[in-house]
Amino acid sequence: DAGITQSPRYKITETGRQVTLMCHQTWSHSYMFWYRQDLGHGLRLIYYSAAADITDKGEVPDGYVVSRSKTENFPLTLESATRSQTSVYFCASSEPDRDPLHFGNGTRLTVT
Amino acid sequence: GENVEQHPSTLSVQEGDSAVIKCTYSDSASNYFPWYKQELGKRPQLIIDIRSNVGEKKDQRIAVTLNKTAKHFSLHITETQPEDSAVYFCAANPYNNAGNMLTFGGGTRLMVKP
Repeated sequence: DAGITQSPRYKITETGRQVTLMCHQTWSHSYMFWYRQDLGHGLRLIYYSAAADITDKGEVPDGYVVSRSKTENFPLTLESATRSQTSVYFCASSEPDRDPLHFGNGTRLTVT
Repeated sequence: GENVEQHPSTLSVQEGDSAVIKCTYSDSASNYFPWYKQELGKRPQLIIDIRSNVGEKKDQRIAVTLNKTAKHFSLHITETQPEDSAVYFCAANPYNNAGNMLTFGGGTRLMVKP
């Protein structure tokens, strides 16, 4: 599925640094999501967006910021990274009544 | 909010046997229940889904059943093969199809032994 791409695939950063994970989709899906995946917790929703300039919190939003100035992009920013944010981050998109949820390849983030 | 429980967390079967994974959900308003398969190091991929107006759905060796009264749904894999080895996630949509926003279960690691 080349329709949704994440970058970078791997990132190592230090505690306290700001880091941005990128997500781009070519399907023109209205909805985009960010999930984090940790052992023992499955997939947990961080933030989602229903359209450009509309975002809302999910289950675990603390420490994260999102924006959606264009429909196709949905970056996730960790303003001051902490070790507890070491995880695999998945971006996903969908279109109600047309396309189910599709995931990107993920970004493995390590905070040292 | 919605809470999805998934069991078992690990499941080991012999090749050719059947595997069953069960999930329960808490929000009676949920009406969409997909299953995702995630191979090691890969993204989760949709393998089958069911809506609340249907009790069962099949796709070759995979089937999903839904009991809305009891608020549980199950994934059945028949004639398992080594390539079925993966982590499987169930999910429920608690927001009446608001963009397919999903709450996921904790996952089941399925191991199929040749």
